[in-house]
Amino acid sequence: EIVLTQSPGTLSLSPGERATLSCRASRSTNYLAWYQQKPGQAPRLLIYGASSRATGIPDRFSGSGSGTDFTLTISRLEPEDFAVYYCQQYDTSTWTFGQGTKVEI
Amino acid sequence: EVQLVESGGGLVQPGGSLRLSCAASGFSFSGYWMHWVRQGPGKGLVWVSRVDSDGSRTSYADSVKGRFTIWRDNVKNMVYLQMNSLRAEDTGVYFCTRGGSGCFDEWGQGTLVTASS
Repeated sequence: EIVLTQSPGTLSLSPGERATLSCRASRSTNYLAWYQQKPGQAPRLLIYGASSRATGIPDRFSGSGSGTDFTLTISRLEPEDFAVYYCQQYDTSTWTFGQGTKVEI
Repeated sequence: EVQLVESGGGLVQPGGSLRLSCAASGFSFSGYWMHWVRQGPGKGLVWVSRVDSDGSRTSYADSVKGRFTIWRDNVKNMVYLQMNSLRAEDTGVYFCTRGGSGCFDEWGQGTLVTASS
């Protein structure tokens, strides 16, 4: 099973700043996605295939990386972007998530 | 509009059983894999199970293998999760999700399962 490790655990930033979130896989994966989750809500898909934005996702969200190292960047934080972010991978009928990064004010 | 609506959660004693249901609408249901993902209280997301588009193949997380069963009804546009021999660690919100390209592109709002005496 591929293990995903996200860093940092918590990111303290202000609106308008740039956020850079990291996700490292224990071995190479071709399928890497990112989700946003706000309290009391279901997760929302942001990025799939490491770098493709899901439908309706603003272009301030971008994903990059390949192999074992992946990054989610939020170019300019809006107030609604403060949330928990999870990376997720798929490999051989197994799907795993990272432990999450909380982006807080 | 895509909608996934879960039901069937509740309080059950450890060792008990529960069946979750997910009603899907707004898309061509029979063309998609479907999954269940759970989230323990204050914890992260954990994939539980999936069923492929025609229901012929399934897979499970090791933690639920042999206790949970997933299936679907492509006439009723429903997906189900039968949970037996429930444990305290199975407690959490269970989300029904639609499978995308190695990811989960649509989510229901979840149903809460509590295994406690």
